[in-house]
Amino acid sequence: GAVVSQHPSRVICKSGTSVKIECRSLDFQATTMFWYRQFPKQSLMLMATSNEGSKATYEQGVEKDKFLINHASLTLSTLTVTSAHPEDSSFYICSARGRGGSYNEQFFGPGTRLTVL
Amino acid sequence: QQQVKQSPQSLIVQKGGIPIINCAYENTAFDYFPWYQQFPGKGPALLIAIRPDVSEKKEGRFTISFNKSAKQFSLHIMDSQPGDSATYFCAASGGTGGFKTIFGAGTRLFVKA
Repeated sequence: GAVVSQHPSRVICKSGTSVKIECRSLDFQATTMFWYRQFPKQSLMLMATSNEGSKATYEQGVEKDKFLINHASLTLSTLTVTSAHPEDSSFYICSARGRGGSYNEQFFGPGTRLTVL
Repeated sequence: QQQVKQSPQSLIVQKGGIPIINCAYENTAFDYFPWYQQFPGKGPALLIAIRPDVSEKKEGRFTISFNKSAKQFSLHIMDSQPGDSATYFCAASGGTGGFKTIFGAGTRLFVKA
């Protein structure tokens, strides 16, 4: 149980375009979802936390107008990278926390590799 | 105070060896300490986690040792195998940070056949 999927797994786009990444909890209701980015050989950096039906809380230094997060349902959150630039190229990973079970436990998606040309 | 410091940065062991990865934290409000395993190009997967009310937890070949007074915890991998070669992250959450998970810098483990 506790499976989180992401789509797409890879995306290549031109500079200036917008890219949407979906994160779904497949077998549980995700009350909270997190979005991370990870540069090569580095750790995961939390970008934002979102609770279903409310606005996301962004970490310091993360531009909320550039990284739009929507958590419209208990099984789906989306991250839209607007006007992407090459420096936005990274590995984006979502995680989800559900009701019940260990309140801290998060389940991670497989990640989305974004390459901006 | 929200940092989690992890060492070593990389580790090479022979098959059957016992790699040990160490982490230290400062925020005494943290109350959940997970370890994650990540293979290249994949998301992290939860290996094992511990809470501060116990000093050791074992699951299969993976053991967490926890020293609350020293604010340190470590991962031991018994009888390591080449398939264990991956990057390992310690993490911490809880307290005023709520559900936010703070990750260590990661340890790249290579197990020689």
